[in-house]
Amino acid sequence: AQSVAQPEDQVNVAEGNPLTVKCTYSVSGNPYLFWYVQYPNRGLQFLLKYITGDNLVKGSYGFEAEFNKSQTSFHLKKPSALVSDSALYFCAVRGYSNYQLIWGAGTKLIIKP
Amino acid sequence: EAGVAQSPRYKIIEKRQSVAFWCNPISGHATLYWYQQILGQGPKLLIQFQNNGVVDDSQLPKDRFSAERLKGVDSTLKIQPAKLEDSAVYLCASSLVHNDISSYEQYFGPGTRLTVT
Repeated sequence: AQSVAQPEDQVNVAEGNPLTVKCTYSVSGNPYLFWYVQYPNRGLQFLLKYITGDNLVKGSYGFEAEFNKSQTSFHLKKPSALVSDSALYFCAVRGYSNYQLIWGAGTKLIIKP
Repeated sequence: EAGVAQSPRYKIIEKRQSVAFWCNPISGHATLYWYQQILGQGPKLLIQFQNNGVVDDSQLPKDRFSAERLKGVDSTLKIQPAKLEDSAVYLCASSLVHNDISSYEQYFGPGTRLTVT
């Protein structure tokens, strides 16, 4: 069965430090992987996606994600966190034969000044 | 480019009442999705339209939920009668097409927060 796991409910980072939000997946075939961010009282916003090619994907707001096939992971990263990055982050995967997105439960990112 | 529009933003109803949500996708987007997001969880797909046809409604509780997209543009989602467990945020999203991964990004509206008392 296809699934996505975000093992951390919450991640706390000091402003200016690097941040990582973890995501692992299970899917048959080649995975198509996505990260979305949700700010309070707003809908989800697309950050970046991995389809094929370079394992390091760059996205919006200075975020990037690294695809690791052997570890079935797609961790979201940013070199220097901003207070405004505080939000809820969702990882999602689309399987090769299924057009649906399978969503993780989300990770709350808190950046402290 | 205008984003996905949804209304109302908030709705409070009593159980057993009915409620309807409206969504207008980004112009030109053929695919429209309705999701239910319960607090602390990821979005759960309720129904997916391609133009005015249903692609997937396997997780839609059809005894109480219905949705339509008659002209292939805007869509309505209805709940009748509502239950307490329907309290959630209902998100509408759209994408260019659902089966072209290069243009698969989904763009979300602000959502409707439904409270059933």
